[in-house]
Amino acid sequence: EAGVTQFPSHSVIEKGQTVTLRCDPISGHDNLYWYRRVMGKEIKFLLHFVKESKQDESGMPNNRFLAERTGGTYSTLKVQPAELEDSGVYFCASSHLLAGSTDTQYFGPGTRLTVL
Amino acid sequence: DQQVKQNSPSLSVQEGRISILNCDYTNSMFDYFLWYKKYPAEGPTFLISISSIKDKNEDGRFTVFLNKSAKHLSLHIVPSQPGDSAVYFCAAAWDSNYQLIWGAGTKLIIKP
Repeated sequence: EAGVTQFPSHSVIEKGQTVTLRCDPISGHDNLYWYRRVMGKEIKFLLHFVKESKQDESGMPNNRFLAERTGGTYSTLKVQPAELEDSGVYFCASSHLLAGSTDTQYFGPGTRLTVL
Repeated sequence: DQQVKQNSPSLSVQEGRISILNCDYTNSMFDYFLWYKKYPAEGPTFLISISSIKDKNEDGRFTVFLNKSAKHLSLHIVPSQPGDSAVYFCAAAWDSNYQLIWGAGTKLIIKP
């Protein structure tokens, strides 16, 4: 079974540019999460999809971030325009069960975003 | 305000000895705790978890202890092996919420 995949693995862009990150969850997983780790600090929750619906987007920093999951399969996270403080590693995770927070979340390798 | 704290950024342990990683939390609503392990350039990998109704959970060389009154949990690795060298994250959740709240991680180094 393929794991969670993320593309690209690295992205270096200039301030003001746009970047789109992609996440392919494990097949059959209805729950998809985005997290971010900035400068070696704690990993922070961004948002949670159940299928194609946004269940919780309380962690999204501001309206420069837009996440979509059309068709309930893969997800994209767009940052437009990017700012210096957006640099970090963006992780995607997926899980299977719909009920409860005790279901194991499986993480992708992350996308390292550097904004210059 | 950080709700999950891992106060030791790094820990060095001799191979074969016990590794003890600590985690403190402030939110009494948390009812589920997890430990993840992360190698460089990889995503976190689930290691072991514990529900708040328990005070201990064991899986092979890994044991997690939960002290609810102290709002403290710890991960014990016995015996420590070179492949255990990684960053260990403590995370917490509560039943009505799917998001994980994470600590900053502890880098464990196992010395041969």
